[in-house]
Amino acid sequence: GAGVSQTPSNKVTEKGKYVELRCDPISGHTALYWYRQSLGQGPEFLIYFQGTGAADDSGLPNDRFFAVRPEGSVSTLKIQRTERGDSAVYLCASSLRGPGIGNEQFFGPGTRLTVL
Amino acid sequence: DAKTTQPPSMDCAEGRAANLPCNHSTISGNEYVYWYRQIHSQGPQYIIHGLKNNETNEMASLIITEDRKSSTLILPHATLRDTAVYYCIVLSSYSGAGSYQLTFGKGTKLSVIP
Repeated sequence: GAGVSQTPSNKVTEKGKYVELRCDPISGHTALYWYRQSLGQGPEFLIYFQGTGAADDSGLPNDRFFAVRPEGSVSTLKIQRTERGDSAVYLCASSLRGPGIGNEQFFGPGTRLTVL
Repeated sequence: DAKTTQPPSMDCAEGRAANLPCNHSTISGNEYVYWYRQIHSQGPQYIIHGLKNNETNEMASLIITEDRKSSTLILPHATLRDTAVYYCIVLSSYSGAGSYQLTFGKGTKLSVIP
């Protein structure tokens, strides 16, 4: 079956612009996660959704970052007033049920964001 | 706080077993050891997890020491496609806040050499 998909695969924008990154989780997966990966580092947690609600957004770096999942499936990560330091690969993952042992997270290929 | 320590890089000859070590000396009783890998330009991929018993699946084996302070991921017959960064992660079985956050370190970059 289809895995987690993310669009666009690459996004180049200018400093100060607004961007939206989309994630399509595996069908039927109730939990969705966003991570950010800087060059040479492991992924860092940003936010987790259970259904439509953000269960934990403690990883979002500041209020320029926001994510939604209005129908409990597709999620959009939104970044306002982008800065060069936002350049990274943004990864999305989903799991069948809520987080926990045995509910493995399946990752998409990521969106590479470059802020000029 | 880094909960795990891994060597930054390792080489392995194609067809040989790749043994990737991980130290997690501060692991607590309710914490599991998870392994993920990330092939270049792809998202991380789950490999295996365990609590205290050794585990095996179609991808790999996980050997956890009796004191649970370290573990080894074994790829029995490494192929070129196993070249990737391998992450050892400690994950709590407690369902409280933050327990689901996979905390990736820098991992071990495994290079399988023909």
